[in-house]
Amino acid sequence: GNSVTQMEGPVTLSEEAFLTINCTYTATGYPSLFWYVQYPGEGLQLLLKATKADDKGSNKGFEATYRKETTSFHLEKGSVQVSDSAVYFCALREGGSGNTGKLIFGQGTTLQVKP
Amino acid sequence: GAVVSQHPSRVICKSGTSVKIECRSLDFQATTMFWYRQFPKQSLMLMATSNEGSKATYEQGVEKDKFLINHASLTLSTLTVTSAHPEDSSFYICSARDKDRGNQPQHFGDGTRLSIL
Repeated sequence: GNSVTQMEGPVTLSEEAFLTINCTYTATGYPSLFWYVQYPGEGLQLLLKATKADDKGSNKGFEATYRKETTSFHLEKGSVQVSDSAVYFCALREGGSGNTGKLIFGQGTTLQVKP
Repeated sequence: GAVVSQHPSRVICKSGTSVKIECRSLDFQATTMFWYRQFPKQSLMLMATSNEGSKATYEQGVEKDKFLINHASLTLSTLTVTSAHPEDSSFYICSARDKDRGNQPQHFGDGTRLSIL
């Protein structure tokens, strides 16, 4: 079945450091890929998305490129801030007109940014 | 932007109590809503897909008689944890799809932290 695998955390960085959180997926067909962020005690917020191969999603300085050849969707940011501290989830949604909209999540990666 | 409201945000109750959690789409109509459960420091596990006007579709291993889902209107789905026990304590999150924007991402509520004593 479909699945998403993220790098284990926590990831601890100093402010202004470069961030990479790896995400790889297994899926049939052509899924859409997402990164969600969860701040403490809150629900999930969509950070960015990509719906087809080679698409690059970007938002708030974060970006991720849909790489079909490596089945990856790694999240990157050039300079993190303390306010970026949160849990980041990679997710996929099955493709095709008959898709249920169901999301499959990775296990989440906690990012801690220190001043 | 699209907003999903989840209520209550936190519930603490005694073992054996039934607890109802509401999920509302505030500015769009949702034929489909999803209910997730999240254990501490773990990912979200889909429990069920709630379909307006029809029965919910439960994921394998989720007890439908334990977790009752009702999706009576295009803007409201409810999850009732019946006869809750301490092992049901968890963070429950709902999400909704805008029926007029089928390919757009789901919108998530802020979650409900359920604590059973």
